[in-house]
Amino acid sequence: GENVEQHPSTLSVQEGDSAVIKCTYSDSASNYFPWYKQELGKRPQLIIDIRSNVGEKKDQRIAVTLNKTAKHFSLHITETQPEDSAVYFCAATTDNYGQNFVFGPGTRLSVLP
Amino acid sequence: KAGVTQTPRYLIKTRGQQVTLSCSPISGHRSVSWYQQTPGQGLQFLFEYFSETQRNKGNFPGRFSGRQFSNSRSEMNVSTLELGDSALYLCASTTAGGNTGELFFGEGSRLTVL
Repeated sequence: GENVEQHPSTLSVQEGDSAVIKCTYSDSASNYFPWYKQELGKRPQLIIDIRSNVGEKKDQRIAVTLNKTAKHFSLHITETQPEDSAVYFCAATTDNYGQNFVFGPGTRLSVLP
Repeated sequence: KAGVTQTPRYLIKTRGQQVTLSCSPISGHRSVSWYQQTPGQGLQFLFEYFSETQRNKGNFPGRFSGRQFSNSRSEMNVSTLELGDSALYLCASTTAGGNTGELFFGEGSRLTVL
């Protein structure tokens, strides 16, 4: 089955700097890769996603890149702000007809003022 | 529009007992999935229901079961509780009936097994 690894497990950056979180997946059939943000004590929420037919997607300060050959995808946050502090989860799925996601273990991002 | 609602929010059980958790999806959402969240393991997929049928199942023992009702509300049950079952159980619903899409999570049911 699919396995998703995520690095780093913790990341501290200064406000205004960029943050990059990387995930690798094992199943080349995976075709959908979402990123979820979970603030302390709150529910996970989707922040950006990418499908296998796209190499990059951007939404304001957040971008995701996908390298299908290497089987890895990355989350890029620019001009970080204190409210970006949270745990970020990447996920992958091979399932076109369901919601069977395999999540990475998460990255705790701390943005220091 | 009301979000995904999970009950109870917190519960404490002892080993050997069983527990039933409930999830009411966003109105119109027909797919409901369940995840177990623990500090060391992250989010692990339990199962997914669509139109009252289990469509996917994760790698959890048979003690974990679920069902979905005609109104899309879902329940999950854990029998013969073990200490390792202590976790936050998250339910998520989505409107996507035919392909993957955004998961809308509930706030979770935090289970403590003593």
